[in-house]
Amino acid sequence: QSVLTQPPSVSAAPGQRVTLSCSGNSSNIANNFVSWYQQLPGTAPKLLIYDNDRRPSGIPDRFSGSKSGTSATLGITGLQTGDEADYYCGTWDSSLSAYVFGAGTKVTVL
Amino acid sequence: QLQLQESGPGRVKPSETLSLMCSVSGGSISSSGYYWGWIRQPPGKGLEWVGTIYHSGSTYYNLSLKSRGTIFVDTSKNQFSLKIKSVTAADTAVYYCARHPVRALTDWYFDLWGRGTLVTVSS
Repeated sequence: QSVLTQPPSVSAAPGQRVTLSCSGNSSNIANNFVSWYQQLPGTAPKLLIYDNDRRPSGIPDRFSGSKSGTSATLGITGLQTGDEADYYCGTWDSSLSAYVFGAGTKVTVL
Repeated sequence: QLQLQESGPGRVKPSETLSLMCSVSGGSISSSGYYWGWIRQPPGKGLEWVGTIYHSGSTYYNLSLKSRGTIFVDTSKNQFSLKIKSVTAADTAVYYCARHPVRALTDWYFDLWGRGTLVTVSS
């Protein structure tokens, strides 16, 4: 069981906006940077967001990240069928002395 | 463009040692700006960081491995390796190697991943 809590699934129609939450505590999210990863079916994870809200080169601005207190959020606007994937948050946990991931949220485009 | 490629046995027997290699191409593993890590994903489950190495040989490990894991680097071959001893079925997973920028622990993120290799622990 992960120390970062993510909802198992989220769904929305094409073109809609979805927000994915990642909840932690003072040992992880509250005091460390959060990153987000997209894992399309059958492929390796891909970095979407780092340092809470920064996008790597090549990631469209439909993807955004934010953090407040012990929670982080990934937003996806203009949802596309190609966005169907599992999304993981990740951060360092100072109590565990380990980099930890959430259990992941599966995004379904209706 | 830098790429990472995992290689391994595919199947390991319980109680034996799992050995994996990650080959780095298109760039040098000795680059001062990057760490090199292993992350695994049991079938149908989430991601677990296993450990990380710097080209100097400095390492960080997830304590959940309970000292069963060791990571090595071979700069002459531009490769780094993972060994996990005394494996059980719980070690069955897709193993990914990944790159991450050298930063404070609190600021880590993984910016480039290999395709992964499935290792099944079974007799």
